[in-house]
Amino acid sequence: DVKVTQSSRYLVKRTGEKVFLECVQDMDHENMFWYRQDPGLGLRLIYFSYDVKMKEKGDIPEGYSVSREKKERFSLILESASTNQTSMYLCASSLFTPGVGDYEQYFGPGTRLTVT
Amino acid sequence: GQQVMQIPQYQHVQEGEDFTTYCNSSTTLSNIQWYKQRPGGHPVFLIQLVKSGEVKKQKRLTFQFGEAKKNSSLHITATQTTDVGTYFCAGLPSGGSYIPTFGRGTSLIVHP
Repeated sequence: DVKVTQSSRYLVKRTGEKVFLECVQDMDHENMFWYRQDPGLGLRLIYFSYDVKMKEKGDIPEGYSVSREKKERFSLILESASTNQTSMYLCASSLFTPGVGDYEQYFGPGTRLTVT
Repeated sequence: GQQVMQIPQYQHVQEGEDFTTYCNSSTTLSNIQWYKQRPGGHPVFLIQLVKSGEVKKQKRLTFQFGEAKKNSSLHITATQTTDVGTYFCAGLPSGGSYIPTFGRGTSLIVHP
């Protein structure tokens, strides 16, 4: 079974703090993602990485950065947390077989971040 | 960019009634996936559809991919309280992209 783990289930931080969210997957997947999930807005992509040290901005990258130094680990960084970054953060990894078309995404349990 | 619209946003049903959620993409898809998120949980992959007109079944769940590969549906027959959750579709655009676009989800509430 694919396992995607996230460093914390719940996190409370103060405005202006630097926040690190860690994600680790154990299936040697190339692709990893960070989403935030807010009621009524669904899943919004923050950043995406398709290889070590490679990253692409998603739909809402402002206020966030990422790091992927090892294939299995993808970190999301909030440089200076703000209250509007209070949300559920979900990490995912995926396996994609071009040509065959197989695609599955596996999600971690999520980190509920509250910024006060 | 690509958009995936999913309706309805919410659906209340009595236990035993059927339920359907629909996804429509603004562009042709190479693949569509369906996920279920239980309350308090995270999205869990259910199935993927790749071929035009494809129909797949998982027990009481039936998944369809449109002929034009731009729409899809999930139908649940005779809902049970264990079906409660939010169902998301996610479309992968044709052309080799591996970044899916998620619909906003349909929350299913089943009344016993």
